[in-house]
Formats: sequence, structure tokens, C-alpha cells
Amino acid sequence: NAGVTQTPKFRILKIGQSMTLQCTQDMNHNYMYWYRQDPGMGLKLIYYSVGAGITDKGEVPNGYNVSRSTTEDFPLRLELAAPSQTSVYFCATDLGYFGPGTRLTVT
Amino acid sequence: GIQVEQSPPDLILQEGANSTLRCNFSDSVNNLQWFHQNPWGQLINLFYIPSGTKQNGRLSATTVATERYSLLYISSSQTTDSGVYFCAVGDAGNNRKLIWGLGTSLAVNP
Repeated sequence: NAGVTQTPKFRILKIGQSMTLQCTQDMNHNYMYWYRQDPGMGLKLIYYSVGAGITDKGEVPNGYNVSRSTTEDFPLRLELAAPSQTSVYFCATDLGYFGPGTRLTVT
Repeated sequence: GIQVEQSPPDLILQEGANSTLRCNFSDSVNNLQWFHQNPWGQLINLFYIPSGTKQNGRLSATTVATERYSLLYISSSQTTDSGVYFCAVGDAGNNRKLIWGLGTSLAVNP
């Protein structure tokens, strides 16, 4: 089992560019989550999904979109990247399984 | 919404020492978890403990739900225990949505 995988590990974006952060899990968990972690802070929930076809907003959804077409995949889309979106992004499933994170810098 | 406060914010230990980390929360919860984030950023779930006491090796945790706090005990600390320890609790409306504290940053010196 690979658990939760995320790609890419690192990315630098220019202001206004768009990108998709990929997240895949092989544990057949229904719940999946996207978090962001700013330096010295705890995690903030961006979006979550309770199963394929169902997503909902978390605490900080503005500037992001998600989709969940399969149980395995939960991509996070950034449209019109802004410096405030510079952060480390974690994907997680239920029971606290986390991916390794994506470090994103927007300049 | 529910507030989660962790203390102390920073802790420095000598290898072999014991420590207690605290998590206070502002409302009743059905979901409380402790996580360790190692110096390379990886997050590992330590305990799911909405109430009661659990032990896993040198780590143990106790949650007193009626008094709205949880404690994480680290005994005989090792340098590999370094990192940030987070407490996260379930949101009142959906306990699968976690609200995170700011963490306790632990450094264990050899």
C-alpha cells in the first residue's frame, strides 16, 4: 500500500498562473481532505469530500476548487494564484493518514 | 466555533527526560486526535482519543472530556521525538472536520 501520495512535491508559480495539486489514496477511504499549513501554524481545512461526487468547503476555501470523481483521487485546483497561497498543502484521508505535502511558492 | 489551545508552545528537553503536553478545547468533542509532525514535515497520527487513556510505547494520552482537556505524555524522550505535536478536535457540526491547535514544538537534545 502506498497510502496517500501527492504530486508535485515542490512548485513555484507566478502570480495569476493556475495549477492542480494531485492526491491519490489506495486505502479505499471515503473521507478525504485538503489542508494548508502556513509557517508556524496549525493546519487549516480547505475542502473535504465524504465520497465520490460529494465535496464541501472547509475553513479557507476561497481561491481553490476540488473535484472527486473517484474514491481514489481528490485533486485541488488553484486558479489565479496569489502570494497569499504560498503554503504547504497536505492531502489526508480519514483516520489521520497524510500525504507528504506539496510546498508551493507564489511569486 | 470551537477553539483549541496547546501548551507549552515550545519545549526543550534533554534526552531521557519526560514531558507533558496539554490541549484545551472550548466545547465538547466526539473526536480528538494527536499528531506528530517530524522535522521533515511528515504528519503521523499518534492517537485517536476522544475520551479515556491510551498508551503506545513511550507515548500515552489522556482525555478528560468533561473538563475539556487532553494530555500527551512522552517518557524517556529520544532525539527522534523532536518535531511539532498537534492536537486536533472534531468540529461541532461535523466531527470528521478537524480544528487544529497551533502545536507544541519539541526539541530533544542528545
